[in-house]
Amino acid sequence: DIQMTQSPSSLSASVGDRVTITCRASQNIANYLNWYQQRPGKAPNLLIYTASNLQSGVPSRFSGSGSGTDFTLTISSLQPEDFATYYCQQSYSSPRTFGQGATLEIK
Amino acid sequence: EVLLVESGGGLVQPGGSLRLSCAASGLSFSGHFMDWVRQAPGKGLEWVGRSRNSAGSPTTENAASVEGRFTISRDDSKNSLYLQMNSLKTEDTAVYYCAGDIGYCSGGTCYSRYYYWGQGTLVTVSS
Repeated sequence: DIQMTQSPSSLSASVGDRVTITCRASQNIANYLNWYQQRPGKAPNLLIYTASNLQSGVPSRFSGSGSGTDFTLTISSLQPEDFATYYCQQSYSSPRTFGQGATLEIK
Repeated sequence: EVLLVESGGGLVQPGGSLRLSCAASGLSFSGHFMDWVRQAPGKGLEWVGRSRNSAGSPTTENAASVEGRFTISRDDSKNSLYLQMNSLKTEDTAVYYCAGDIGYCSGGTCYSRYYYWGQGTLVTVSS
């Protein structure tokens, strides 16, 4: 199975900050990488697909990059509604696997 | 509007069984792969299994952690996905989500992504 490792697992930031979350795959997954946002008590929501494509309706302050084994999710200017948990997920092979999550908290 | 609505969760004793359902509306259900993903309390997301559309093979696939205990099925005439869970363990306690994999192809390569999610149904395995 492909292991997905996110860092950091949690971080504190302020409204307006620029934040980057990284995701590393245990093997080359090309660009088969998706990012999801999950707010407390809610289902996950697709943010970025195929490493760098912004899902329709997602604000442009979100961006994704990377290929191979190393990927990043960047939020250019944090807004109050962005404080949530973020998961990366590989769609390269089965079983689909997720990172352990990165929780973004208000400083 | 696309809706995925899970039902069937509840409290069950270890060793017991439960059947979850996911009713879909607003999408061409029969054409899509549908997955179950779970989340234990305070934990991350874990893929449980997949139901492929009629063109896919194998038709279903399970995570190793549930192989031999859980069975995924679908009824395209009812736009519904099911998860039959037998021999339940305390570690199966989680919110279970159904997720619609709406793939796409670009430049000759096809990709998958969980485009739609249900609201989840809580399964608690406890004596």
